Amino acid sequence: QLQLQESAPGLLKPSETLSLSCTVSGGSISSTTSYWAWIRQSPGQGLEWIGGIYYTGITYYNPSLESRVTLSTDTSKSQFSLTLRSVTAADTAVYYCARQYTSSWTNWFDAWGQGTLVAVSS
Amino acid sequence: EVVMTQSPATLSVSPGERATLSCRASQSVTTNLAWYQQKPGQAPRLLIYGASTRATGIPARFSGSGSGTEFTLTISSLQSEDSAVYYCQQYNNWPPLTFGGGTKVEIK
Repeated sequence: QLQLQESAPGLLKPSETLSLSCTVSGGSISSTTSYWAWIRQSPGQGLEWIGGIYYTGITYYNPSLESRVTLSTDTSKSQFSLTLRSVTAADTAVYYCARQYTSSWTNWFDAWGQGTLVAVSS
Repeated sequence: EVVMTQSPATLSVSPGERATLSCRASQSVTTNLAWYQQKPGQAPRLLIYGASTRATGIPARFSGSGSGTEFTLTISSLQSEDSAVYYCQQYNNWPPLTFGGGTKVEIK
């Protein structure tokens, strides 16, 4: 069974850079039907897709965050990572990594990490 | 960006009764729509994809319908463990992939 586990950076100050990684187990990060995605959920709010990366390095980003976000993969470690620059209090959220099942007309999320809370405060 | 709107925000239903949740897209997403269930402190869980296909292991009391811009998730006979927030997500036009704001289902 596919499992995903986020790292836990915890507390950041405004203007710092958020770095998170997600380790994939029970399946291959090089799967041809998987994008590896980051999704966040602000306290008491809904879900926001941040972006997804294919094992080849192809990336898609949410335009609302694209200028501050970089996704990367390390297939040798079965990990993918999120970098979010210049964080503010508005970036405080639970960050989930997830498998974005993809083919011609499919892009849903069928496996999720447990989520990690990132708080931004001075 | 396709905006997804869910209604109602909160739904209170007695055990054994039917719960009907709505999701509307700002433009047609054909049947490229998924539903998720999220319980407190947990990650979302995929319930439905393709607007009407249950994901692996999802009980038959959960069903999805609709196409274009109007979708419905129905829980035919509400169980106590179904208390959760339910989200719809479109994957027809992306990036970005977008979610609705959620419907909280409470047990009366």
